[in-house]
Amino acid sequence: QSALAQPASVSGSPGQSITISCTGTSSDVGNYNRVSWYQQHPGKAPKVIIYETDKRPSGVSNRFSASKSGNTASLTISGLQAEDEADYSCCSYAGDNTFIFGRGTRLTVL
Amino acid sequence: QVQLVQSGSELKESGASVKVSCKASGYTFNRYGIYWVRQAPGQGLEWMGWINTHSGNPTYAQGFTGRFVFSLDTSVSTTYLQIFSLLAEDTAFYYCAREDNWFFDSWGQGTLVTVSS
Repeated sequence: QSALAQPASVSGSPGQSITISCTGTSSDVGNYNRVSWYQQHPGKAPKVIIYETDKRPSGVSNRFSASKSGNTASLTISGLQAEDEADYSCCSYAGDNTFIFGRGTRLTVL
Repeated sequence: QVQLVQSGSELKESGASVKVSCKASGYTFNRYGIYWVRQAPGQGLEWMGWINTHSGNPTYAQGFTGRFVFSLDTSVSTTYLQIFSLLAEDTAFYYCAREDNWFFDSWGQGTLVTVSS
């Protein structure tokens, strides 16, 4: 079971919007609306920012939004801020209480 | 509030074993599964498997069978990850995380296991 495909890196200037893709298969991303996204700052544990494909936990900025089409999920961060610079990983439920993570995307705020 | 607190960093020699703990607080322990996630240096997150904290039944992802063991002690709301016959490639951060409706809502702070050869 390979990792979900994500771009290794993305970048954007403050105020801009960026989108990170997460591509899986019809056995995971395409089969369940159970994609979650995690933000991880250097030296810190991951933190959930999106769950069930497009839902934000309380306390997470509405600058974070997400969607899914077919086997690809996407995370969009609007109004980029310096504090958004971090690693972002997607994760999909894959049935039978199994999960699969993406390889992670490093976001650089220029 | 929900907290998962993991044991401290470990430095082990190749071939040895290690046991990492994850102590839960702030919720009813046996109502949520605990998952384990590995992150090798500079790499992405990798799902290792999970333990059902109600039944104690562990499930291991492909690539984490044989040398990896999940266990728990409900009396102290703690789950454990043991790795036997350590290899250099086991060097990584290991995280425990609580699963709630198909996502991981709380994470431990991570435990760095370093294997020297």
